[in-house]
Amino acid sequence: AQRVTQPEKLLSVFKGAPVELKCNYSYSGSPELFWYVQYSRQRLQLLLRHISRESIKGFTADLNKGETSFHLKKPFAQEEDSAMYYCALSRDSSASKIIFGSGTRLSIRP
Amino acid sequence: NAGVTQTPKFQVLKTGQSMTLQCAQDMNHNSMYWYRQDPGMGLRLIYYSASEGTTDKGEVPNGYNVSRLNKREFSLRLESAAPSQTSVYFCASSFSLQGTDTQYFGPGTRLTVL
Repeated sequence: AQRVTQPEKLLSVFKGAPVELKCNYSYSGSPELFWYVQYSRQRLQLLLRHISRESIKGFTADLNKGETSFHLKKPFAQEEDSAMYYCALSRDSSASKIIFGSGTRLSIRP
Repeated sequence: NAGVTQTPKFQVLKTGQSMTLQCAQDMNHNSMYWYRQDPGMGLRLIYYSASEGTTDKGEVPNGYNVSRLNKREFSLRLESAAPSQTSVYFCASSFSLQGTDTQYFGPGTRLTVL
């Protein structure tokens, strides 16, 4: 079955520590993967996508097809990174076939 | 630009009541979507509209109907609400159905069905 798994519901790290939010996927085709973020009292928004190979707000994510993972990383966490993070996979290159993971709440402690 | 707007923000219904959730976007996007989010789960697609005049079922369409009123507006109707439809509903839009197109989300509607 096609799915996106985020194994951690909650991740708490100290400010300045490295962050890694895990995302594993199950999909037989060529995946397009995304990370979405929802800050407190704000709407869900795209953080980054693997196809762009970009770094946004210091976050990067590398697609590892061998391990079927797309973990989100940041070397030094900041308090403003506290938010809900969702990994998502687009099947068949269609926005109507996006599967979202259940999300990880990232809490940065001062 | 307001982006994607949704009304209402909160709603409480009794079982069997009906209601319509409204969504509008001002970004001249062609495609629009309705998702629901239940506790501990990711967003699931209810219905989508690839372009004005078309609508299609998503992953969880049962109990819902939609109308793409014009290019800007996409409404979601619950004809006879059930407690299982208690959820947070998000509307989104994108320029097209291309998987690489960014989806822009509304603020959500928190619906409780008693």
